[in-house]
Parts: sequence; structure tokens; C-alpha cells
Amino acid sequence: QKEVEQDPGPLSVPEGAIVSLNCTYSNSAFQYFMWYRQYSRKGPELLMYTYSSGNKEDGRFTAQVDKSSKYISLFIRDSQPSDSATYLCSAGGTSYGKLTFGQGTILTVHP
Amino acid sequence: EAQVTQNPRYLITVTGKKLTVTCSQNMNHEYMSWYRQDPGLGLRQIYYSMNVEVTDKGDVPEGYKVSRKEKRNFPLILESPSPNQTSLYFCASSFRGGPLQPQHFGDGTRLSIL
Repeated sequence: QKEVEQDPGPLSVPEGAIVSLNCTYSNSAFQYFMWYRQYSRKGPELLMYTYSSGNKEDGRFTAQVDKSSKYISLFIRDSQPSDSATYLCSAGGTSYGKLTFGQGTILTVHP
Repeated sequence: EAQVTQNPRYLITVTGKKLTVTCSQNMNHEYMSWYRQDPGLGLRQIYYSMNVEVTDKGDVPEGYKVSRKEKRNFPLILESPSPNQTSLYFCASSFRGGPLQPQHFGDGTRLSIL
């Protein structure tokens, strides 16, 4: 079993929809949680970063961590076609230097 | 322009023929890392380096070697490539703090081992 599990989708939504992307993790030692966005034929880029439990908001994006249930979420409000990409959750903190990624969820926002 | 540069971008080669994928960053970052990305498995960390001459294994280091002789370069070496190393490879770097700081990724190297 992977330490970070993510539903690969694909997920297809209409423009303007609220998107919910989710991951679960198994290692209680994870303390740092990140969401990366990856466009086709490009490397991932950091979207959101959270430490421990709680919410973090940045524009249309909200990252949520619930350590009690080992659940990581990313919400996208008012989704746009430009949000179409693969979204990767990741977790770190077990060992300095190591980062574990989920499988990635392919999201398509259609006009 | 701040960037992580990987070469080559694409390579088709045969089993057993040693190859090196270069990675260079121009941001004076201390931390560098290599990942491979496979369908259904996501990104998996191969090796990472916290600074010059300091390297350590990630989750899937078997069959790979790395070196960090200079701050800007972190080559990935496949001494005897095998078909199960066919994958999309990414190099990444970040400032102090390792992967918990925003990592800058290269655009990937697609390797096919026949």
C-alpha cells in the first residue's frame, strides 16, 4: 500500500463548478502537505502548502488537512478551463529530504 | 530566468548501455532531487541531495546512481539500464529546507529502454 493514496480520476467538470480533490495517507509522522499542479508535458509546480491540520486559502484554492482522519483535500472554486491539469498531493516530514507523492488526479474543466 | 534544465529531453536506448541524464539549476539551491513518474504510481523519489557531496536514497533508488560535486549539477546515472526503468524522469531543486520548500521542477526526460 502506498503511503499516500490518491484517486487518479479522471475527473471532468463544467466551468464554474467547485472541484474537490482528495488524498489519504497512512504514515502518522507526516507533518507537511503540499499540492502540486502539473500541466501536460511540463514539470509539477507548487500550488499549496500546509503544515499539520487546518485550512489554507489562496484565491480560488483551499487546502485542508485533517490529521485525525489522515485526509488531505484541495478545493477549487469557480473552476476554469485553465485549471485542467494533473493535481498531485504530497506529504513530508518523516525524514529530512524525503517527499512522498500520491498518484495524481487528472482534472478537466470544460467550457 | 530561474530554471531547472534537464538533458536530454527524450532518449531511446537499449538494455545495458550506460546513460547519464544531466540536471542543472541556476538558482543556487542547496537541495536537489530526482523523481520518476509512471502511470498509476505517480511521482516516486529516486535520490536526493541536501547539499554538495551529500546524497541519500529516496523510495526507489535501485539501479540508479547520483553525484553532487557542484551545487548546480545533479546528474542521474543508469549504469546498466533495464526496460523497467522506462519512465518519465524529473529533476527538482529548492532552497534550504529540502523538499518542504517549493521545489522547482525541470520539464522532464522521457527515457525508453528497449
